[in-house]
Amino acid sequence: DGGITQSPKYLFRKEGQNVTLSCEQNLNHDAMYWYRQDPGQGLRLIYYSQIVNDFQKGDIAEGYSVSREKKESFPLTVTSAQKNPTAFYLCASSPRQTSGNTIYFGEGSWLTVV
Amino acid sequence: AQSVTQLGSHVSVSEGALVLLRCNYSSSVPPYLFWYVQYPNQGLQLLLKYTTGATLVKGINGFEAEFKKSETSFHLTKPSAHMSDAAEYFCAVSDSGATNKLIFGTGTLLAVQP
Repeated sequence: DGGITQSPKYLFRKEGQNVTLSCEQNLNHDAMYWYRQDPGQGLRLIYYSQIVNDFQKGDIAEGYSVSREKKESFPLTVTSAQKNPTAFYLCASSPRQTSGNTIYFGEGSWLTVV
Repeated sequence: AQSVTQLGSHVSVSEGALVLLRCNYSSSVPPYLFWYVQYPNQGLQLLLKYTTGATLVKGINGFEAEFKKSETSFHLTKPSAHMSDAAEYFCAVSDSGATNKLIFGTGTLLAVQP
């Protein structure tokens, strides 16, 4: 089945560590996104990418990094500079990055700082 | 800049009763509007969207929404609630122009009482 696969589902990070969340899609979509979800705050955009080897900061990019070496993959690294990383992270994709295109979401990854 | 306001962070209805979830938006250009549903620990699933054309939009699971430009609203309704409708619902507006960033409301948690 076509879709967006995020892994791992649950991840624990120690203080000072970097961690990477995986996102793979087999929908042949051009655009990919990372959102962060906190209770009562909706979803906020971290990074997005329109094409391979190109990405843009979203509204809350500080403390995060991404890469887009392949069309189907858009991993997110949560660095030690992110002071409050505990959250639910959602990867998404859309056929093209033009307004009105439906954005499809993965199942999400929980990150907890221990 | 676009924004979305969802009135009521928690809504409770009885099974079989009308569901009404409110969404108001702010946009300086004609908006593209979306409703997503999220079940616990899962990603978001598109219920319906408005881009152009008919202002009454029908979606999955018996939901529909009406775009009212004069009221800047896009309220979600369902005539008869089912227990399986219990979830969190997000309204979103698409950032118009060359990008397809979604700006989300803070969500409404729907509870359905037997």
